[in-house]
Amino acid sequence: AQSVTQLDSQVPVFEEAPVELRCNYSSSVSVYLFWYVQYPNQGLQLLLKYLSGSTLVESINGFEAEFNKSQTSFHLRKPSVHISDTAEYFCAVSEGNGPASKLTFGTGTRLQVTL
Amino acid sequence: NAGVTQTPKFRVLKTGQSMTLLCAQDMNHEYMYWYRQDPGMGLRLIHYSVGEGTTAKGEVPDGYNVSRLKKQNFLLGLESAAPSQTSVYFCASSQERDSRPYEQYFGPGTRLTVT
Repeated sequence: AQSVTQLDSQVPVFEEAPVELRCNYSSSVSVYLFWYVQYPNQGLQLLLKYLSGSTLVESINGFEAEFNKSQTSFHLRKPSVHISDTAEYFCAVSEGNGPASKLTFGTGTRLQVTL
Repeated sequence: NAGVTQTPKFRVLKTGQSMTLLCAQDMNHEYMYWYRQDPGMGLRLIHYSVGEGTTAKGEVPDGYNVSRLKKQNFLLGLESAAPSQTSVYFCASSQERDSRPYEQYFGPGTRLTVT
């Protein structure tokens, strides 16, 4: 069975500093990987995804994540964060088998950006 | 295009009462999901549907029932609410292409309190 581990429940960071949110997964088959963001009192929104091809994927607001198969990781990074990036971030994995590709979510990392 | 909508947004129930949460999507997606979100536990799949008239159990189905009578609607029912069902409930929908998962689109959530 697939599982996702987000070791950091909270990450405080100053504005304009770099940040890395860690995500490790376990699966016995090929996986598809996602990062979702949840702003306060809202639903989840897709931030970026890895399905195949280049292992480095980017979002439109400056985040990037790299799929590392040997380390079973999909860490999320941003070189310079903004106050508006304050949110909870969820890593998710799908094994893509069967008629419905169910997502397994990590427990989330709360990114708190301060001045 | 409203995307995924959920009603109601908030609800308070007494133990033993019943209620139905409604999810609607206007994207013609085949797949729909119900999750619950609890602090420190991420999102956990309750039930899902791969098409009109079909439903299947997820990770935490006990105490819930679902129905998908129309493609655009997915209902989640609590027959006899318990305090352990106090949570934020999210509905999501998705489509698949070429046997690979596409992103799941989430509703804004329903905050349910059972006293």
